[in-house]
Amino acid sequence: GAGVSQSPSNKVTEKGKDVELRCDPISGHTALYWYRQSLGQGLEFLIYFQGNSAPDKSGLPSDRFSAERTGGSVSTLTIQRTQQEDSAVYLCASSLWGGVGDTQYFGPGTRLTVL
Amino acid sequence: SQQGEEDPQALSIQEGENATMNCSYKTSINNLQWYRQNSGRGLVHLILIRSNEREKHSGRLRVTLDTSKKSSSLLITASRAADTASYFCATEDSWGKLQFGAGTQVVVTP
Repeated sequence: GAGVSQSPSNKVTEKGKDVELRCDPISGHTALYWYRQSLGQGLEFLIYFQGNSAPDKSGLPSDRFSAERTGGSVSTLTIQRTQQEDSAVYLCASSLWGGVGDTQYFGPGTRLTVL
Repeated sequence: SQQGEEDPQALSIQEGENATMNCSYKTSINNLQWYRQNSGRGLVHLILIRSNEREKHSGRLRVTLDTSKKSSSLLITASRAADTASYFCATEDSWGKLQFGAGTQVVVTP
């Protein structure tokens, strides 16, 4: 079946603009995660959705970042008033139930460049 | 902040050789997972080792876990050019959240 998809694959924007990044998880997966990877670095956790529970937003770096997940499926990560330090690859992952020991399946990522 | 730290940061070997990389972490874990990333994009899950396991194999991969030292190792035997990638360890907390290290970049030359 289809894996996790993300769009766009690349996004170039100007400082101060808002951007929206989209993630389509694997069908039937109840958990969805967003991570950020800066150049040459590991992944930084941003936010986690699990079913109908309130999302875990503990990794969001500032109030310019927000995410929502509609209908328990597609998720959108929004960055308002982008800054150059927001430039990174944004990765989305989904897993079947989101608990301990569950495997996360990653999308190809969106490379965001803020000029 | 990152939970895990991989060592070495980069590794260059020839095809057929074995590649070993290590991961150290700071706090108690439920599981530890290893992922591979090609070309700076999506990650592929390689193997999960539970906190009560000491060693696990999957094909040419061998993972060890020493919870007393808070460390894990990933061994790739008989490496191939296609193994060229970055390898990340990720520790899993009580809620299933993963914290990744900065990764080891492995280059396998023919």
